[in-house]
Amino acid sequence: KNEVEQSPQNLTAQEGEFITINCSYSVGISALHWLQQHPGGGIVSLFMLSSGKKKHGRLIATINIQEKHSSLHITASHPRDSAVYICAAAMNRDDKIIFGKGTRLHILP
Amino acid sequence: EPEVTQTPSHQVTQMGQEVILRCVPISNHLYFYWYRQILGQKVEFLVSFYNNEISEKSEIFDDQFSVERPDGSNFTLKIRSTKLEDSAMYFCASSVGLAGGNQETQYFGPGTRLLVL
Repeated sequence: KNEVEQSPQNLTAQEGEFITINCSYSVGISALHWLQQHPGGGIVSLFMLSSGKKKHGRLIATINIQEKHSSLHITASHPRDSAVYICAAAMNRDDKIIFGKGTRLHILP
Repeated sequence: EPEVTQTPSHQVTQMGQEVILRCVPISNHLYFYWYRQILGQKVEFLVSFYNNEISEKSEIFDDQFSVERPDGSNFTLKIRSTKLEDSAMYFCASSVGLAGGNQETQYFGPGTRLLVL
C-alpha cells in the first residue's frame, strides 16, 4: 500500500481554471512538501507545511492533520503552470521522505 | 539567490564501473539528501546526512552506495559498481534544519542523469 497517494494522476484544464490537486497519507508526518517538477526534470520546492495553510502568489497549500490530507490549489491557472506536482511526506518515525507518484498538470491556452 | 548545484548534469558509464555524483549544497545548510528518480517513476529517498554522518537511509541505499562530505562544500554520492537498474536521475537537496531537517524546506539541485550501459 502506498503511504502517500495523490489524485488525480493526470489533469488537463483550460487557462484560467481553478486547479486542485489532492494528497492523502497514511502515517504520522512531521511535515508535508509540495514540489513542482518541470518537463526537463528539475524539482522546485513550492511549500513545506505542517499545519494550516500557506499561500504564495497564485498557489495555495492546505493541510488537515486529523484527516491526513493536503491540497494544492492554483488560481487563475496558466500554461506555464504545466508540470508534475509532487506531494512528499516527511515521516514522524524517521528522517525519510515518502513521495507520491505526482500529478501531471497540463493547462491549455 | 543561493542554489544547490550538481555535477555532472549527465553521465554515461559502463555496468560495473564506479561513479561519483557531486553536489554543492547551499552554504549555510546543515542537512543533505540524495534522491533518485527512475525514468517514469516517482522520486525515491536514498539517504540523509547530518553532522558528517548518515542520519537515515532507505532500503535502496545498500553497500554499493556511499556518501561523503570530503570538504566544507561538496557532498558526494558514490556508486561502487553500477548496475543497469541504477540508471536514473539523481537529485541532491539541502535544508537548514538543525534537529530534524524534515522540518525545513529542502532545496533541490538540478539533478544528474545517470545512464548505465
